[in-house]
Amino acid sequence: QQQVKQSPQSLIVQKGGIPIINCAYENTAFDYFPWYQQFPGKGPALLIAIRPDVSEKKEGRFTISFNKSAKQFSLHIMDSQPGDSATYFCAAPRPYGNNRLAFGKGNQVVVIP
Amino acid sequence: NAGVMQNPRHLVRRRGQEARLRCSPMKGHSHVYWYRQLPEEGLKFMVYLQKENIIDESGMPKERFSAEFPKEGPSILRIQQVVRGDSAAYFCASSPLTEATEAFFGQGTRLTVV
Repeated sequence: QQQVKQSPQSLIVQKGGIPIINCAYENTAFDYFPWYQQFPGKGPALLIAIRPDVSEKKEGRFTISFNKSAKQFSLHIMDSQPGDSATYFCAAPRPYGNNRLAFGKGNQVVVIP
Repeated sequence: NAGVMQNPRHLVRRRGQEARLRCSPMKGHSHVYWYRQLPEEGLKFMVYLQKENIIDESGMPKERFSAEFPKEGPSILRIQQVVRGDSAAYFCASSPLTEATEAFFGQGTRLTVV
């Protein structure tokens, strides 16, 4: 069973700061590592995903850094805004399928104006 | 193109009753996934279905829970004889023909067992 562990549990940053959320996984056999963003009362939405053949991927203000040897990947939110305040989940595929995901417990990020 | 539609959004059941949660995937999507989210927890995979077939139910509790995705109509997650521990948010996601593409989540059904 794939396990993913997120840290820290919660983050409070000032507007413009760069919250960084870390995720560690166990099984090295998989090739798809997404981050999801969830606002209160809503379903999770895919934010950005990475495959292990690259070490970094950027989409707008969101960057994933991937460290295959350490079995870790991180989410960086550049120039954070109050609208980025949400819960962020990392995930990794369970056997056998990219959409049968094992989610971490989530990180609550609060961006103060 | 409407997103994944789940209903009801909120459902209250007394212990021992049955809960039926419905999920209509996005148009053109034939893969459906159900997840459960307990308070302060991440989502837990429950079951993966294609039209008329259960592909992977490894995350489903062995008793009282069942799921279906008929040829016509929405996917149904059914919980019989609900207990307080079933109180959670249940999310459905759908993806197109291949599972290798992104799955889109609905807004969830929040089940409260009283």
